Amino acid sequence: AQKITQTQPGMFVQEKEAVTLDCTYDTSDQSYGLFWYKQPSSGEMIFLIYQGSYDEQNATEGRYSLNFQKARKSANLVISASQLGDSAMYFCAMREGWGAQKLVFGQGTRLTINP
Amino acid sequence: GAVVSQHPSWVICKSGTSVKIECRSLDFQATTMFWYRQFPKKSLMLMATSNEGSKATYEQGVEKDKFLINHASLTLSTLTVTSAHPEDSSFYICSALRTQGGYTFGSGTRLTVV
Repeated sequence: AQKITQTQPGMFVQEKEAVTLDCTYDTSDQSYGLFWYKQPSSGEMIFLIYQGSYDEQNATEGRYSLNFQKARKSANLVISASQLGDSAMYFCAMREGWGAQKLVFGQGTRLTINP
Repeated sequence: GAVVSQHPSWVICKSGTSVKIECRSLDFQATTMFWYRQFPKKSLMLMATSNEGSKATYEQGVEKDKFLINHASLTLSTLTVTSAHPEDSSFYICSALRTQGGYTFGSGTRLTVV
């Protein structure tokens, strides 16, 4: 079964609009961490934001915020005021369990920002 | 900031030859390194986890004799694709676990086997 599910293969958004990228996860562990990465066409993985399962506040990093709904097991990424440079693949990932190390990635969402 | 240098960034090799990919942590010690494979427009699939000084742990379905991983020092991990074939063509990327948490990724290696 998929641990991380991203249901939007592609998203098209007008520049300066806000966009929400969906991510749901599946785990029975109480302790886990959720990550979002951006992958431009160059292939590098750029860390955007992190949310721990025990964090009570939604994480924010500049224009990025994470809408964490623990009961629904969702961790959607919100990008405010989108820019042309935001066009890229976006991956949600999870690290689960105490002492866990490996990251499991979702299928990814290709975001295209239109001028 | 923490940097992982991955080389080469791209490589073309003949079928049947071996290719070595290096990941070097430049300003921190990487006790654990992860190796991923990514097909075009697909997600990152974890191949193996390597810990310095011990044998790598491979994910189910990954041929350990084909994808040799060495993590002999705290700053260097290597992935060798042995007897490469066209189906091994892919994007390979490493990720180092930092002691304070978080992951630093290499820039990736695009392997083409002809």
